[in-house]
Amino acid sequence: AQSVTQLGSHVSVSEGALVLLRCNYSSSVPPYLFWYVQYPNQGLQLLLKYTSAATLVKGINGFEAEFKKSETSFHLTKPSAHMSDAAEYFCAVSDLTGFQKLVFGTGTRLLVSP
Amino acid sequence: DAGVIQSPRHEVTEMGQEVTLRCKPISGHDYLFWYRQTMMRGLELLIYFNNNVPIDDSGMPEDRFSAKMPNASFSTLKIQPSEPRDSAVYFCASSPYRGRGILQKNTEAFFGQGTRLTVV
Repeated sequence: AQSVTQLGSHVSVSEGALVLLRCNYSSSVPPYLFWYVQYPNQGLQLLLKYTSAATLVKGINGFEAEFKKSETSFHLTKPSAHMSDAAEYFCAVSDLTGFQKLVFGTGTRLLVSP
Repeated sequence: DAGVIQSPRHEVTEMGQEVTLRCKPISGHDYLFWYRQTMMRGLELLIYFNNNVPIDDSGMPEDRFSAKMPNASFSTLKIQPSEPRDSAVYFCASSPYRGRGILQKNTEAFFGQGTRLTVV
């Protein structure tokens, strides 16, 4: 069975600082990996996805993530945090069976201080 | 496209009552998912459909929960009878399916804004 583990339920950064949100996956087959963002009282919005092409994936709002098979990781980064980045971030995994069933991590809440 | 549309946005009901949540997926999407989000358990997949057929309902917590997809543009999630522990945000999502493996594109799920259910 596939799963993802997000380390840290809360991450606090100052505005302008580096954002690093960690995600490790477990999958017996090559995975597809996703990062979603959820703003308060909103649904989930896709930030970026890895689908076995380039290992460094760029997404919206300046976020990017790198797929590292040797570390089974897919960490999300942004060089400089903005106040508007404060939200909850979810890592998710699916497989290539075609059913596109997404399994989500428990989420990391990003707090950005002035 | 207006995206995935869920109704109602908020629902407050008394324990024991029947609750029906509704979802309109994005036109042309082959997959529809129902998720539940709680503080304790995070995001849980309850059930998903492919071309209106339920594929995996192993996440449905109890027989009190049922879901239907009578056509490609509408799905319901019903709880009967409802209990306070059912209080959560319920999300519907839809996804297109185009090919397999390296030909697979647009594999992400598009989420609705959710229905916040409170059972008192």
